[in-house]
Amino acid sequence: QKEVEQNSGPLSVPEGAIASLNCTYSDRGSQSFFWYRQYSGKSPELIMSIYSNGDKEDGRFTAQLNKASQYVSLLIRDSQPSDSATYLCAASGGYQKVTFGTGTKLQVIP
Amino acid sequence: AAGVIQSPRHLIKEKRETATLKCYPIPRHDTVYWYQQGPGQDPQFLISFYEKMQSDKGSIPDRFSAQQFSDYHSELNMSSLELGDSALYFCASSSAAGGIGANEQYFGPGTRLTVT
Repeated sequence: QKEVEQNSGPLSVPEGAIASLNCTYSDRGSQSFFWYRQYSGKSPELIMSIYSNGDKEDGRFTAQLNKASQYVSLLIRDSQPSDSATYLCAASGGYQKVTFGTGTKLQVIP
Repeated sequence: AAGVIQSPRHLIKEKRETATLKCYPIPRHDTVYWYQQGPGQDPQFLISFYEKMQSDKGSIPDRFSAQQFSDYHSELNMSSLELGDSALYFCASSSAAGGIGANEQYFGPGTRLTVT
């Protein structure tokens, strides 16, 4: 079992809809959580970091963290075709080591 | 803003040859990480350095070695290359002075290594 689990998708949503990406982690010592966006053949781009329970909003993105349920999610509002990419969830249990999930492929249909 | 720089961007080598990948972190970042990503896979952590010392080690083959220099740039040395080493190699950097955000990692554009 991977330490960070994601549904590989693809997740297809129509343009303008809300895309909901989910992630669970197994290490209860994890303290920091990240969402990266990766376009095919490109490097991962950090889009959200979250460290405490609750919601964190940045533009069209909202990250949600529930440490009791060991669950992290990313909501993308008003999804655009340019949001089509693989989204990597990552968790860190301490200094430096970050574990990535296998990613969820998102397709936004025009 | 300055980003992580990697060179070369593309590299073609033959089996059993050696390769050296270079990484220049974001200015004032003191920690460097190396990842290997095969097609359709998530980034696999290889090794990291903090203040020129190895800080963590992942699934790095014994044929690979790495170091961080006094100017904080890092090099990944790969010897006796195998076909299975063909992958994207990413370098990422972070700043230990970032407080709770100390392990926010910023990735470079990657080096695509092809072993023939």
